[in-house]
Amino acid sequence: AQSVTQLGSHVSVSEGALVLLRCNYSSSVPPYLFWYVQYPNQGLQLLLKYTTGATLVKGINGFEAEFKKSETSFHLTKPSAHMSDAAEYFCAVSEQNQGGKLIFGQGTELSVKP
Amino acid sequence: ETGVTQSPTHLIKTRGQQVTLRCSSQSGHNTVSWYQQALGQGPQFIFQYYREEENGRGNFPPRFSGLQFPNYSSELNVNALELDDSALYLCASSRDDRVAYGYTFGSGTRLTVV
Repeated sequence: AQSVTQLGSHVSVSEGALVLLRCNYSSSVPPYLFWYVQYPNQGLQLLLKYTTGATLVKGINGFEAEFKKSETSFHLTKPSAHMSDAAEYFCAVSEQNQGGKLIFGQGTELSVKP
Repeated sequence: ETGVTQSPTHLIKTRGQQVTLRCSSQSGHNTVSWYQQALGQGPQFIFQYYREEENGRGNFPPRFSGLQFPNYSSELNVNALELDDSALYLCASSRDDRVAYGYTFGSGTRLTVV
């Protein structure tokens, strides 16, 4: 069965510092991987996704993630944090022909200190 | 293009009642998925509809049911509400049932069962 583990329910960084949010997945077949962001009282916004091809994926707002099959990881990074990055971040995994079922992690709340 | 809209935004119901939540898909999208997000948790997949047919379901009891209409809008119905049904219900649409396309989420309906 597929699963997602996000290491760290809360991450705090200073403005301008590196952001690193960790995600490990379990899947018996090559996965599709996603990162979503959720601002308070809002729905989910897609940051980036990996389906096939290049393992380093660039997304919106300066975020990127690298698919590492050997480590079953898909960590999210951003070189320099901005106050507006404070939000909840969710990693998700899916398989082909799964009827659109996304398996989400528990989420990581990112705080950015001035 | 319009995004995914959900109504109502907030709802309070009494245990044992029935509720209907509504979702209008993004223009050009023929696939709708519903998720339940309990407080402090990641979203959990309820089911998906593709061209008016259910084509995937998560681990939710039959009292959770849905419909998709010819214009690809959708409803989520929950019968015999329980206190644990209190959550944010998210609707997501896609232009195809292949998850690789990614999903656009609405802002959700906050359901409180008392």
